[in-house]
Amino acid sequence: KQEVTQIPAALSVPEGENLVLNCSFTDSAIYNLQWFRQDPGKGLTSLLLIQSSQREQTSGRLNASLDKSSGRSTLYIAASQPGDSATYLCAVVFSGGYQKVTFGTGTKLQVIP
Amino acid sequence: DTAVSQTPKYLVTQMGNDKSIKCEQNLGHDTMYWYKQDSKKFLKIMFSYNNKELIINETVPNRFSPKSPDKAHLNLHINSLELGDSAVYFCASSLGQGVGAQYFGPGTRLLVL
Repeated sequence: KQEVTQIPAALSVPEGENLVLNCSFTDSAIYNLQWFRQDPGKGLTSLLLIQSSQREQTSGRLNASLDKSSGRSTLYIAASQPGDSATYLCAVVFSGGYQKVTFGTGTKLQVIP
Repeated sequence: DTAVSQTPKYLVTQMGNDKSIKCEQNLGHDTMYWYKQDSKKFLKIMFSYNNKELIINETVPNRFSPKSPDKAHLNLHINSLELGDSAVYFCASSLGQGVGAQYFGPGTRLLVL
């Protein structure tokens, strides 16, 4: 069964700290992986998309890496700010079939001023 | 200049009623999706349309019927609403089925009483 897991479910860090969020998937045959953030009561905002052939993507203070062989992706946030507080979700498109998107359960991040 | 829009934003209705949610995207994407986010915040795909054609139809009661009049619109009609249908429903779009980044609408919060 193709599953996506995010651990921890919640994370609290002081402002300014660098942090890493983890995403694991059970099948290494993926098409791409996308990281999102969701603010309370809001929709999802796309952060980074990594295609299967890529190892990492960067946008500002965010860096996402992909290691298909180990079934893992990490989202690195540098110099965290209170405005980074949100739930972070990873979504994997597994190869084969209809390229269905499977979401992880999310990591709720709180950055304390 | 909203990319993916949904109406209504909130929907409160009685059990047994029929309701519709509308979604429109102005990104020129050819693929649209409906997701359900339950009370535990888990996101699960319901339907996917590519070029107005149904591609993915997950295990969803047949009370749910999507309709795509054109590539820019994907509506969701729900018959005989049940308490368990209460959730947030998100529409999303992408260029290509599972290929490009997905962009989400703001969500429709459905409460069935």
